[in-house]
Amino acid sequence: DAGVTQSPTHLIKTRGQQVTLRCSPKSGHDTVSWYQQALGQGPQFIFQYYEEEERQRGNFPDRFSGHQFPNYSSELNVNALLLGDSALYLCASSPRSASYEQYFGPGTRLTVT
Amino acid sequence: GQQVMQIPQYQHVQEGEDFTTYCNSSTTLSNIQWYKQRPGGHPVFLIQLVKSGEVKKQKRLTFQFGEAKKNSSLHITATQTTDVGTYFCEPLGGAQKLVFGQGTRLTINP
Repeated sequence: DAGVTQSPTHLIKTRGQQVTLRCSPKSGHDTVSWYQQALGQGPQFIFQYYEEEERQRGNFPDRFSGHQFPNYSSELNVNALLLGDSALYLCASSPRSASYEQYFGPGTRLTVT
Repeated sequence: GQQVMQIPQYQHVQEGEDFTTYCNSSTTLSNIQWYKQRPGGHPVFLIQLVKSGEVKKQKRLTFQFGEAKKNSSLHITATQTTDVGTYFCEPLGGAQKLVFGQGTRLTINP
């Protein structure tokens, strides 16, 4: 049983570019959340998707958008990248029946130069 | 958004010593989750606390939720080198996710 998978593992972009990160949830999970984790900091909640809709959102600008597909996989898109967007982006999945018990993927390390 | 304060930020102990991290909120929480993140790894779910005054144990780990549901703690008895990592609390207030605590980074001298 595969856990949460994310791609790519690492990514280098330049300021102003756009990036798309991908996440496949753990089998049986239908809820996906995205987090941004800067070095030495705790994960910051970006948004959560369930039934292909954004259900909750943290304090992130509209440059951060997402999507959930019918198979529950998800994408995180970031437009007009800033240097401050450099971070580890974590995807977490959970079953709706126990949405508090999140399983995190290994993350995508994004570097913006 | 609402914040929580997690203390201490860093803790270094000798192997075999105890360790405690605290998560404090200015508002009443619905529940709280605890996670562990090993160096270079991703957060791993440890436990959820829901009830006022709740205490849960996992082997050498003891988790507590305050009576007022504003505070929580994680205590590790007789630390081992495998306990190294950063411990985060993730509080929930109502249906709204709150920010993870800043984490307590635990290092251990063998």
